[in-house]
Amino acid sequence: DADVTQTPRNRITKTGKRIMLECSQTKGHDRMYWYRQDPGLGLRLIYYSFDVKDINKGEISDGYSVSRQAQAKFSLSLESAIPNQTALYFCATSDSRGQSNYGYTFGSGTRLTVV
Amino acid sequence: SQKIEQNSEALNIQEGKTATLTCNYTNYSPAYLQWYRQDPGRGPVFLLLIRENEKEKRKERLKVTFDTTLKQSLFHITASQPADSATYLCALDIGGGAGNMLTFGGGTRLMVKP
Repeated sequence: DADVTQTPRNRITKTGKRIMLECSQTKGHDRMYWYRQDPGLGLRLIYYSFDVKDINKGEISDGYSVSRQAQAKFSLSLESAIPNQTALYFCATSDSRGQSNYGYTFGSGTRLTVV
Repeated sequence: SQKIEQNSEALNIQEGKTATLTCNYTNYSPAYLQWYRQDPGRGPVFLLLIRENEKEKRKERLKVTFDTTLKQSLFHITASQPADSATYLCALDIGGGAGNMLTFGGGTRLMVKP
């Protein structure tokens, strides 16, 4: 099983719909992140959480919300999807105890298309 | 503004040669810098981390240098193979004392031809 699992892998939704992307991890890491990736723009941070009670906005949080349901689960919601939210979304984790030695562990991504 | 720049043009090299990718940054003073590999449709995979007080780091055929004066990191793959073809991302820790928060460059696509 993958260390970081994202569901769904692909999703097509209509403008105005609410959609949730889910992420779960078996790494035992305390920190979790949501990024989106667009061609030519690289990975941009949406939200991050350093523990269950900690939620922080990233570079591009407008139009998104998150929930850290447990240490292992971090979900991303689009309250009212719009076409420019079409992108590849990645969840990532890291361990604060080993942050200076190891990088992030990424999920396989969710390809979201808003029509 | 803060910026991380990687060559957006693909780098094409012949198998067996050394590939060198560049990551330049401005207005950051990162504690460390990381390199990731990303294959199409997949999540990035961590390769190497180098700290601000380290000049060079090696792992098998990979070598990373970090020049905080030039604000530049170079990523080398020696004896390159077609299987090394992928997009390579550099990332900077910008969290300072608050912990690691990575900002990524746009990546450089490497194509190794047999």
